[in-house]
Amino acid sequence: AQSVSQHNHHVILSEAASLELGCNYSYGGTVNLFWYVQYPGQHLQLLLKYFSGDPLVKGIKGFEAEFIKSKFSFNLRKPSVQWSDTAEYFCAVNPEGFQKLVFGTGTRLLVSP
Amino acid sequence: DAGVTQSPTHLIKTRGQHVTLRCSPISGHKSVSWYQQVLGQGPQFIFQYYEKEERGRGNFPDRFSARQFPNYSSELNVNALLLGDSALYLCASSFLGQSSYNEQFFGPGTRLTVL
Repeated sequence: AQSVSQHNHHVILSEAASLELGCNYSYGGTVNLFWYVQYPGQHLQLLLKYFSGDPLVKGIKGFEAEFIKSKFSFNLRKPSVQWSDTAEYFCAVNPEGFQKLVFGTGTRLLVSP
Repeated sequence: DAGVTQSPTHLIKTRGQHVTLRCSPISGHKSVSWYQQVLGQGPQFIFQYYEKEERGRGNFPDRFSARQFPNYSSELNVNALLLGDSALYLCASSFLGQSSYNEQFFGPGTRLTVL
């Protein structure tokens, strides 16, 4: 069965600090990879996605993620976080050939001003 | 353009009751998927419907069922509610729903509380 692990459940950073959130998945076949964000009181929004090609993908709001196939990882990064980045972040995997998304448990990020 | 809409926003039921949740996809989208998000966890896939047919099912009991209507809206039904069914139920729509993956757009969810 497919699974996604997000090792950091809660992260607290000060503004301007750098961010890296870990994501590892378990699946033997080809996958598409995603990071979603859920701001307080809002619905899930797509931050970025990887289907193929350059393993370093850039998303909205200055976020980027790197796909390392050998490590089954898709870590999310941002060089300098802002207070408005306070949210819950979900890594998700789409096994190729299916429409479903398999989500990790999420990481709650709190950025203090 | 309206996004994915879901109703009701909140719902309180008691154990053993039945519930129906509704979802309207983005205009032009033909596929609807349902997810369950229990507090403190990520969303879990329940069903996917495309062109009124079930195209995928997650690991949920038969108490959970769904359908899609000719206008592509969808209903999720849960029978014989258990306390553990308390969760945020998310609907996501995509333009297509077969072969290659289509980006899913999520609605705000319905918060179900079972007492």
